[in-house]
Amino acid sequence: GAVVSQHPSWVICKSGTSVKIECRSLDFQATTMFWYRQFPKQSLMLMATSNEGSKATYEQGVEKDKFLINHASLTLSTLTVTSAHPEDSSFYICSARDLRGRQETQYFGPGTRLLVL
Amino acid sequence: DAKTTQPTSMDCAEGRAANLPCNHSTISGNEYVYWYRQIHSQGPQYIIHGLKNNETNEMASLIITEDRKSSTLILPHATLRDTAVYYCIVRVANTGNQFYFGTGTSLTVIP
Repeated sequence: GAVVSQHPSWVICKSGTSVKIECRSLDFQATTMFWYRQFPKQSLMLMATSNEGSKATYEQGVEKDKFLINHASLTLSTLTVTSAHPEDSSFYICSARDLRGRQETQYFGPGTRLLVL
Repeated sequence: DAKTTQPTSMDCAEGRAANLPCNHSTISGNEYVYWYRQIHSQGPQYIIHGLKNNETNEMASLIITEDRKSSTLILPHATLRDTAVYYCIVRVANTGNQFYFGTGTSLTVIP
């Protein structure tokens, strides 16, 4: 399968600071990437769709000014959590859309664990 | 919107086949069935997907009923490393649509 990486794998920050998470497709180009959030013992919740060269599309209830998404190249999307607060502590996972095969599929990154103190 | 129903949890003896069912009675003609799994504290891992024919790869087999209202993921020889939450998702392929995750099935492989 295709490889998607995330950096950092975990981060601890103080309340009020901003944190940037990178998502990279390592062996394919991805015009579309997705960002998910997962709280303990819960399923993945889609936050936004990241499109290369255009604005991201956010799911209902997700603040676009708080979760800034930039998809500047075909292999990189970034999620910046601005003015982070303890309630933003979560497991953030990205996925990238792979169109190389006969049918599309999506591959997920390993996730980034964010702890806001 | 999760349009699938899966059992909350299942156990399987190591070395035996694990059969994970999924109901998707409202599936549309152009929707594929995808299976992913998530091992604790990791990102979801793609397993397999199919439209109406049975599919097999190095990880698993996917059996889809003729009416497409249900499917079964088969792990032929379960190992302890297969302990994970397994998600069955239906969506239209090649549209860039998102994956919406339900609660999945927590599979525990027992030594």
